[in-house]
Amino acid sequence: GQQVMQIPQYQHVQEGEDFTTYCNSSTTLSNIQWYKQRPGGHPVFLIQLVKSGEVKKQKRLTFQFGEAKKNSSLHITATQTTDVGTYFCAGPENAGRRALTFGSGTRLQVQP
Amino acid sequence: NAGVTQTPKFQVLKTGQSMTLQCAQDMNHNSMYWYRQDPGMGLRLIYYSASEGTTDKGEVPNGYNVSRLNKREFSLRLESAAPSQTSVYFCASRMTVETQYFGPGTRLLVL
Repeated sequence: GQQVMQIPQYQHVQEGEDFTTYCNSSTTLSNIQWYKQRPGGHPVFLIQLVKSGEVKKQKRLTFQFGEAKKNSSLHITATQTTDVGTYFCAGPENAGRRALTFGSGTRLQVQP
Repeated sequence: NAGVTQTPKFQVLKTGQSMTLQCAQDMNHNSMYWYRQDPGMGLRLIYYSASEGTTDKGEVPNGYNVSRLNKREFSLRLESAAPSQTSVYFCASRMTVETQYFGPGTRLLVL
């Protein structure tokens, strides 16, 4: 079945350092979404990418969708303690169930 | 709007007990979902409902049943809880676009 993999599983950075998480799908995706989950919280939608090669920015966060629409990345510039949490990518299932397949997530810890 | 609400927030069960997790959304969304999240892992789909009156199995449906009571409510039932069902359960909903909105979760411990 469809698999969505994320690396790294965990990253610990000093405040001010940059951070990147990578997402790879076993199948071509019609779109990819990113969610953030704060410790003890629930996933919150960040962004959706649809077009091949698309790049979107939200303040210090830069999201990219690969040319082949099978991979994506999230880059955070100059991390802050408010960036702490787990970042998930998710792509539509290819089984026609209108559900999402989530990656296993990258947990980011930021040391002040 | 409250968005997606879930009850209870926490629950402790003994093996073999049953319980129902409740989920409601006030966004007039068609589709609703139940996920489970185990420590250090992503979300796995248990069941989903594409519209009122329909339900279908997800990736990990064994040991669970669901009811789409109306457009607003989607409940998840554990008939005979097992320790392997200790997890955090999230309900989510969406309209026609792909974005899903999640509830705050129910933390379940089965002893």
